[in-house]
Amino acid sequence: GAVVSQHPSWVICKSGTSVKIECRSLDFQATTMFWYRQFPKQSLMLMATSNEGSKATYEQGVEKDKFLINHASLTLSTLTVTSAHPEDSSFYICSARPWGSSMNTEAFFGQGTRLTVV
Amino acid sequence: AQSVTQPDIHITVSEGASLELRCNYSYGATPYLFWYVQSPGQGLQLLLKYFSGDTLVQGIKGFEAEFKRSQSSFNLRKPSVHWSDAAEYFCAVGAGTALIFGKGTTLSVSS
Repeated sequence: GAVVSQHPSWVICKSGTSVKIECRSLDFQATTMFWYRQFPKQSLMLMATSNEGSKATYEQGVEKDKFLINHASLTLSTLTVTSAHPEDSSFYICSARPWGSSMNTEAFFGQGTRLTVV
Repeated sequence: AQSVTQPDIHITVSEGASLELRCNYSYGATPYLFWYVQSPGQGLQLLLKYFSGDTLVQGIKGFEAEFKRSQSSFNLRKPSVHWSDAAEYFCAVGAGTALIFGKGTTLSVSS
């Protein structure tokens, strides 16, 4: 199956700094990528839908100025957590669906990024 | 609004015993339904999916799921559980282009 690579796998940062997480589709083009956040022992909560060449669509309650999403190419989307605080510590997962596909096509997930803010 | 309910937070099954994980969904149209498995600290792996046709869907690793429209359910089953099946299992419904996930069920396998 198709591969989605997420980098880094884990990161520790100081409170007040910014962290960038990359999500790459390695062997397919993805016009749409999705960013999820997962708290310990919880489900995946959709944060935003990232569309190549346009602004991301954020879910209700997600601060767009805090979680900056850029989808500059058909294979790369980035999530930047700005001015990170300990409450932003979480597991962030991206997913991507191949270009031209619809909902009956599998979405492929990255391996996730564990962010710890100290 | 679309939603997914997984009633069981944690299930323990003996190795070799059968397994059924429950999933109920709420969706206005014909649902696209998925089951994913997640190992600790890892991403998600698709086990199986249902879009239309045969309501009994076969997946990887010996898993299957049955779509029952009348019950709004999509339960996951496996006839004989292996210790390596211990993981977190998520049911999801396709809503637009994104997926809405249930809260997950943690499966423990006892020897």
